[in-house]
Amino acid sequence: DTEVTQTPKHLVMGMTNKKSLKCEQHMGHRAMYWYKQKAKKPPELMFVYSYEKLSINESVPSRFSPECPNSSLLNLHLHALQPEDSALYLCASSQDAGNYGYTFGSGTRLTVV
Amino acid sequence: GQQLNQSPQSMFIQEGEDVSMNCTSSSIFNTWLWYKQEPGEGPVLLIALYKAGELTSNGRLTAQFGITRKDSFLNISASIPSDVGIYFCAGPHYNQGGKLIFGQGTELSVKP
Repeated sequence: DTEVTQTPKHLVMGMTNKKSLKCEQHMGHRAMYWYKQKAKKPPELMFVYSYEKLSINESVPSRFSPECPNSSLLNLHLHALQPEDSALYLCASSQDAGNYGYTFGSGTRLTVV
Repeated sequence: GQQLNQSPQSMFIQEGEDVSMNCTSSSIFNTWLWYKQEPGEGPVLLIALYKAGELTSNGRLTAQFGITRKDSFLNISASIPSDVGIYFCAGPHYNQGGKLIFGQGTELSVKP
């Protein structure tokens, strides 16, 4: 299995909702990442997990809460989002945080209404 | 901070033409990566370069790691319609392990 699987593919949520994005990989990768991407712009790093520990938080607002329950799973919990948070949220993984050959998932297209 | 300047921003070419895009920085990078992103998908790694001067091919794609370690280029030969997408160069942040810096992207359109 050489894929990163993200669910759901699309999500529409209200500003008072709580939802979660899920990411799964079975390649034995020990680094996992959340990126946010606006249309036709480069991905922007949000969080890095290395060996299931949060190693980088790029000053992301607390309405985004990451969680890494085990080495294969990465979640992003969403609460009280704003319309400007609408974007493509990409999960990626790599062998470890020093290996930059990321494998990206297809992303979750999030719309906040 | 570290920045990658990618050019051109967009290209409109005829099928069969060759394409060249590049990425420059005022900072030294020890690794250069080239990704392609198609609509509705995540970026896919095309080529990774690890050594100054390295020239690497992947089918019709060729990429080079500049000697100064401050630039890289990607060439696509004999373009086909499925080459359409946004191409990003990327390199690792100098002291934040795991963080990639991305260029602004080159959007490629191929007319059959």
